[in-house]
Amino acid sequence: GIQVEQSPPDLILQEGANSTLRCNFSDSVNNLQWFHQNPWGQLINLFYIPSGTKQNGRLSATTVATERYSLLYISSSQTTDSGVYFCAVAAYSGGGADGLTFGKGTHLIIQP
Amino acid sequence: SQTIHQWPATLVQPVGSPLSLECTVEGTSNPNLYWYRQAAGRGLQLLFYSVGIGQISSEVPQNLSASRPQDRQFILSSKKLLLSDSGFYLCAWSALDWTEAFFGQGTRLTVV
Repeated sequence: GIQVEQSPPDLILQEGANSTLRCNFSDSVNNLQWFHQNPWGQLINLFYIPSGTKQNGRLSATTVATERYSLLYISSSQTTDSGVYFCAVAAYSGGGADGLTFGKGTHLIIQP
Repeated sequence: SQTIHQWPATLVQPVGSPLSLECTVEGTSNPNLYWYRQAAGRGLQLLFYSVGIGQISSEVPQNLSASRPQDRQFILSSKKLLLSDSGFYLCAWSALDWTEAFFGQGTRLTVV
């Protein structure tokens, strides 16, 4: 199956700093999503981005499918950005409904 | 708009007791449905997925089973819980084109 590696595993920053989270995957994918897991465990959808670049406020993401990686950028960090960020991918072939394969996540702590 | 409901939010069960977790989706028809488990606070593992009523595929052999009695209802069950079944269980749905997946709020299960 597809392997997903996220880096760094842990990141501690001061409020206002910028950060870049990376996701490498081992094979071609049809689906790539970024999630933020809040302290209550809920997975919040950030981006659906199998290729290209998207931006949503202070967050943006870029996926270079041919080189099998994706980047999540967080600018002007706030304490509410703290939590675990997951990258998840899937490769569908002709009718498979397999679920997402998740990386182990990046644990981000934003200090005031 | 589509919403996904999952309950209960937390559950403490003794070893050997049965389990039933329920997930329902509103606002869409014929969704793909998924059960994931998150152990030790990191990484989600796909347990089951379903493309239609009565159609269940299992990704990992385990002490759990899943059923889909109605189009938008997905149930996770066990006849006898083990300590190792403790974890955070999340239900998810995606449209038939297997694009973006959305998650419920999760059930935190502790087996004692």
